Parts: sequence; structure tokens; C-alpha cells
Amino acid sequence: GENVEQHPSTLSVQEGDSAVIKCTYSDSASNYFPWYKQELGKRPQLIIDIRSNVGEKKDQRIAVTLNKTAKHFSLHITETQPEDSAVYFCAAGTDSWGKLQFGAGTQVVVTP
Amino acid sequence: EAQVTQNPRYLITVTGKKLTVTCSQNMNHEYMSWYRQDPGLGLRQIYYSMNVEVTDKGDVPEGYKVSRKEKRNFPLILESPSPNQTSLYFCASRSLTGQAKNIQYFGAGTRLSVL
Repeated sequence: GENVEQHPSTLSVQEGDSAVIKCTYSDSASNYFPWYKQELGKRPQLIIDIRSNVGEKKDQRIAVTLNKTAKHFSLHITETQPEDSAVYFCAAGTDSWGKLQFGAGTQVVVTP
Repeated sequence: EAQVTQNPRYLITVTGKKLTVTCSQNMNHEYMSWYRQDPGLGLRQIYYSMNVEVTDKGDVPEGYKVSRKEKRNFPLILESPSPNQTSLYFCASRSLTGQAKNIQYFGAGTRLSVL
């Protein structure tokens, strides 16, 4: 089955700097790669996703890149703000199959 | 408002006392799933359901049961809870068709403590 590894497990950045979280996956059949943000005490919420026919997707200060050959994808947050502090999860799955495999999460702390 | 509702939000119980955590969604989603979240382990899938009367095991199904008698409901049953099932549980749902397919929505979570 699919295995998703996520690095780093914790990331501390100064406000205004960029943050990058990287994930690798094992199943070449995976074609859907979402990222979820979980604030303290809250539920995970989708912030951006990418499908395998696209190499990069951007939404304001966040962007995701996908390298299908190397089986890795990354989340980039630019101009970080204190409200970006949260746990971020990557995931991999297929469009039509049930299972969405999550990474272990990255705790991002943005210090003013 | 589109939502996934799970109850209760908090539950303290004792070893061996059967319990059920309910989950309901109002988005007519085909797919529903249960996860447990433990520190350092991320979100691990317990069971999932592709549609009514169709359920399958996830990564950590031992000690849990589910049922999907109606499309909107997907209860999680712990027949004989044990302390290692102390965790934060999330129910989730998503559509498998249409433009918004695969966008997964989570419930607010149920924090379970088994003493």
C-alpha cells in the first residue's frame, strides 16, 4: 500500500520568512495530493491540493509542487505570519479509490 | 451549512464498556472514514466506507467496528475499549464524483479517554 513520509516534523521560522515542507510517497498510482492545516484544538482543513497532471499550483502565499518521477511533493508558504502556526499534513491517494494516506505531520511555529 | 457532525466531543470511559461515537454528514457524500490521531503518528485510518453497506478496513482496524446502514451516518463502535484506544478521533467524508470530488471534510473530533 501507499506510504507517505513527511519532513521535517517541526519547523520554526521567523515571521516574513518562507517555510517548506516535503513529502515523499511510494505508490506510483497515487494521483491526488492534498495538504491539510490543523490549528490547535481544531479539525484538519484542506488548504491546497494538486493532481498528478499538474506540476505546480499556487494560491496566494501557499504553493505546492509535485515531482512525479521522484515521487515527492512540497508545500511552500511565503511571507509567513503568526496565523500560519499550525500542524500541516500532506496526503496521497488516487482519484477514485477510498484510501487517503497521511504523513505524520509538521508542526510549524512562526515567531514574530 | 455543509458539515460533518460527530458526537460526543469528549468521552471518558472505563475498560470494557462498549461505546459508540456517531458521525453524520449532510453533503450526500459517498465516502466516509474514521481516523485516529496520536502524537507523532499523524492521522491513521481505522475504517472507511465507499457507500451504503460497503465498508473496509484501514490501517488500524483492530478493536473497532463500523456500520453504514444509511448514506449520511457512519458510527464507530468500540465493543470493549482498552486504554490503548485513548486518542483523538476524526470522522471525515468526501464525494467520489463531480468537480469537488476528493475534497475531504473532517468532523470536529472526539477526544476519548479509556481508563
